[in-house]
Amino acid sequence: EVQLVESGGGLVQPGESLRLSCAASGFTFSNYWMNWVRQAPGKGLEWVAKIRPDGSETWYMDSVKGRFTISRDNAKNSLYLQMNILRAEDTAVYYCARRGYLDLWGRGILVTVSS
Amino acid sequence: DIQMTQSPSSLSASVGDRVTITCRASQGISTSLAWFQQKPGKAPKSLIFAASSLQSGVPSRFSGSGSGTDFTLTISSLQPDDSATYYCQQYYTDPNTFGGGSKVEIK
Repeated sequence: EVQLVESGGGLVQPGESLRLSCAASGFTFSNYWMNWVRQAPGKGLEWVAKIRPDGSETWYMDSVKGRFTISRDNAKNSLYLQMNILRAEDTAVYYCARRGYLDLWGRGILVTVSS
Repeated sequence: DIQMTQSPSSLSASVGDRVTITCRASQGISTSLAWFQQKPGKAPKSLIFAASSLQSGVPSRFSGSGSGTDFTLTISSLQPDDSATYYCQQYYTDPNTFGGGSKVEIK
């Protein structure tokens, strides 16, 4: 089955770190651009970051530059998002999604940043 | 950054109605536009990419059109299962950006 499954979310305090993972299956992961997209509670969708198929280039939304790092391990069919210096406004459901036009989404994982 | 403006933000229509949602980009994006459907508590689902290409498995009552700055998503005959929020997204340039969403309710 073609799917993406996120893990690693939870409750953290402001300033702390968290690493999200996204396990891909059912397709050739190494052929695709991959993204992280988030959705704050009751709000719309917000693109966070993306990475080339070979991992050689990455892009970020302005508010996470210098704090978040997207990476991938094609041998493990996995995508990651290292989130440092977390803020309350980073609270959201985080989705991994495939391709520039986001044709395949995971179920999402909740990250809550609160003291 | 390219701003994506959707309208209406919400609408209510009857089963069988034709529904149109518009998405306007603040600058030209060619046809690098996608549409998504999201139901409460669920992940978004891809409906259309490249402005008018229907994703596999999506009912043919959904269609997309437009290029440049103005785009539309049309549901030709609204069904009860279509109650959801719909989002557009431009992937022409970084950062990719989404519209604010259009909530469709069934009367």
